[in-house]
Amino acid sequence: GAVVSQHPSWVICKSGTSVKIECRSLDFQATTMFWYRQFPKQSLMLMATSNEGSKATYEQGVEKDKFLINHASLTLSTLTVTSAHPEDSSFYICSARDLQNTGELFFGEGSRLTVL
Amino acid sequence: ELKVEQNPLFLSMQEGKNYTIYCNYSTTSDRLYWYRQDPGKSLESLFVLLSNGAVKQEGRLMASLDTKARLSTLHITAAVHDLSATYFCAVGRNNNDMRFGAGTRLTVKP
Repeated sequence: GAVVSQHPSWVICKSGTSVKIECRSLDFQATTMFWYRQFPKQSLMLMATSNEGSKATYEQGVEKDKFLINHASLTLSTLTVTSAHPEDSSFYICSARDLQNTGELFFGEGSRLTVL
Repeated sequence: ELKVEQNPLFLSMQEGKNYTIYCNYSTTSDRLYWYRQDPGKSLESLFVLLSNGAVKQEGRLMASLDTKARLSTLHITAAVHDLSATYFCAVGRNNNDMRFGAGTRLTVKP
């Protein structure tokens, strides 16, 4: 079945630095991908919808200048956490829908960010 | 605004027992999902329910959907330890993404 891959799986960085997380659809094209954030023992919260070739759509309360999303191709979306702070430490999960085939939504493995 | 309420939030049960997790949502939707999440891992798709009255079963888990009541249930039959995980329901939105419930943290004790 379709696979969505995220990289890196986990990352530890210093406060003030920027971190990029990649989300790739491995065997299908995804014009739309979604980025979620999950804090410990909480549910997934949608951060933004990533649209290939256009600007991302951010959910209310999510700072677009802090969480930069680039969907440069039909198989790759990136989330960059700029000037990361400890409160940005979280589990970030992306998803993509395989519209060409079953329409099923696939989730990446997740990326755990820890900001020191 | 679409709201998804899941209950219970925490559930501890003995092996061999049955229980039901409930998922209520506030606005009309044509897609209801159930996922399992193990600690430190991403989501594993369990069921996708697309129509009123849909019922799907996989092993000891059975999911149903009542679109008129805006209610889905996940029924656990004869629980085993391997079912210990967090279970999320999620409701599809028009732009193809989904809104998640708070999750039910299930612990099955021997």
